[in-house]
Amino acid sequence: QVQLVESGGGVVQPGRSLRLSCAASGFTFSNHVMHWVRQAPGKGLEWVAAIWSDGNNKYYVDSVKGRFTISRDNSKNTLYLQMDSLRAEDTAVYYCAREAISVAAHCFDCWGQGTLVTVSP
Amino acid sequence: DIVMTQSPDSLAVSLGERATINCKSSQSVLDSSNNKNYLGWFQQKPGQPPKLLIYWASTRASGVPDRFSGSESGTDFTLTISSLQAEDVAVYHCLQYWKTPRTFGQGTKLEIK
Repeated sequence: QVQLVESGGGVVQPGRSLRLSCAASGFTFSNHVMHWVRQAPGKGLEWVAAIWSDGNNKYYVDSVKGRFTISRDNSKNTLYLQMDSLRAEDTAVYYCAREAISVAAHCFDCWGQGTLVTVSP
Repeated sequence: DIVMTQSPDSLAVSLGERATINCKSSQSVLDSSNNKNYLGWFQQKPGQPPKLLIYWASTRASGVPDRFSGSESGTDFTLTISSLQAEDVAVYHCLQYWKTPRTFGQGTKLEIK
């Protein structure tokens, strides 16, 4: 079945780096735009970044521009988020989400379980 | 950026009663080429990822019970649960997927009265 599994979260000091991964299975990963969405503890959802299916176009929320880099390896069916210069306000559960291409086109129709990133001294 | 404003922030409804959640976009999310509003609704239970309920503002996703419905009027969108069940306790989020950055409402917490 369609599945997204995030990994790579953990506790990191401010200013340090972390790389998240999202392993996709059960669908043709290379056909889909993919997104990262985060949720700070007790807060709402915040879209973070998107990458086009071929990896040539990338978009970011202003608060992470210049610090985070989204990428993908279609040969490995894996999405990445490289997070540099981490700040306390980046503390959140990070979800990867698939953008639908037919039914529910362009909406987020599949989400991973999330991985927790805690930025703390 | 398109700002999505949900109301109320929290809501308590009796079992079997109707629950209504609103979402307003700061600008149109309508694609005039297909007359579809790029507005989705998600349900999130504690400790779980969001689950897609409604897309195109009013189309139920596969497997979603028909007590859930979405409606639209310009830039105002509504999620209605016609007869609240215990398993509907959750936080509900709206999302506009017309423009980047994609933006969510702040969420509405639905509880049993």
